[in-house]
Amino acid sequence: GAVVSQHPSRVICKSGTSVKIECRSLDFQATTMFWYRQFPKQSLMLMATSNEGSKATYEQGVEKDKFLINHASLTLSTLTVTSAHPEDSSFYICSARAGQAIDQPQHFGDGTRLSIL
Amino acid sequence: AQKITQTQPGMFVQEKEAVTLDCTYDTSDQSYGLFWYKQPSSGEMIFLIYQGSYDEQNATEGRYSLNFQKARKSANLVISASQLGDSAMYFCAMRFREVTGGGNKLTFGTGTQLKVEL
Repeated sequence: GAVVSQHPSRVICKSGTSVKIECRSLDFQATTMFWYRQFPKQSLMLMATSNEGSKATYEQGVEKDKFLINHASLTLSTLTVTSAHPEDSSFYICSARAGQAIDQPQHFGDGTRLSIL
Repeated sequence: AQKITQTQPGMFVQEKEAVTLDCTYDTSDQSYGLFWYKQPSSGEMIFLIYQGSYDEQNATEGRYSLNFQKARKSANLVISASQLGDSAMYFCAMRFREVTGGGNKLTFGTGTQLKVEL
């Protein structure tokens, strides 16, 4: 099956640090990638949608300057949490899809647990 | 606006028994897709099964089947012969055609925590 690799799986860092999370589609070209945030025992909250070579579309309430998304190639998207603070601590998970067809499943990475001290 | 509802925050089932996880949705679109994902405690999201709004037959995938009732707008997941490894959070999700940007994104329900017991 389709594989999406997300790295790192866990980050612990000091407040004020910027953290970069990578998401790679290993065996398919991802025309669209998605970034989600998930709080404990809650559902996934979509942060932004990115298409290769264009600017990401952010959901309402998500700070573009705080969460920088780059989708430079059909196999790689990055999320950078800039000047992270304790309230940014969360589980971040990326997802990739090969096409726009409605029955095309989104394949997810294993997620990144971010802890800001 | 599209909405997915999972009314069961938690469910218990005995090993080898079948269990049904409920999912209802609200949309005025005629063309949409319904997905179920499993999320173990380790965090990864595992795609289980898909049902298209125009599919006449209920989707099946191994021990997973989808009880799709379009008129009632429900897409319940049935897991047969439950195993201890089925213990996880289960999310129902819907995708609809979005005219402006965004690339028809998934909308997730709140999830159901399933615990399989001996």
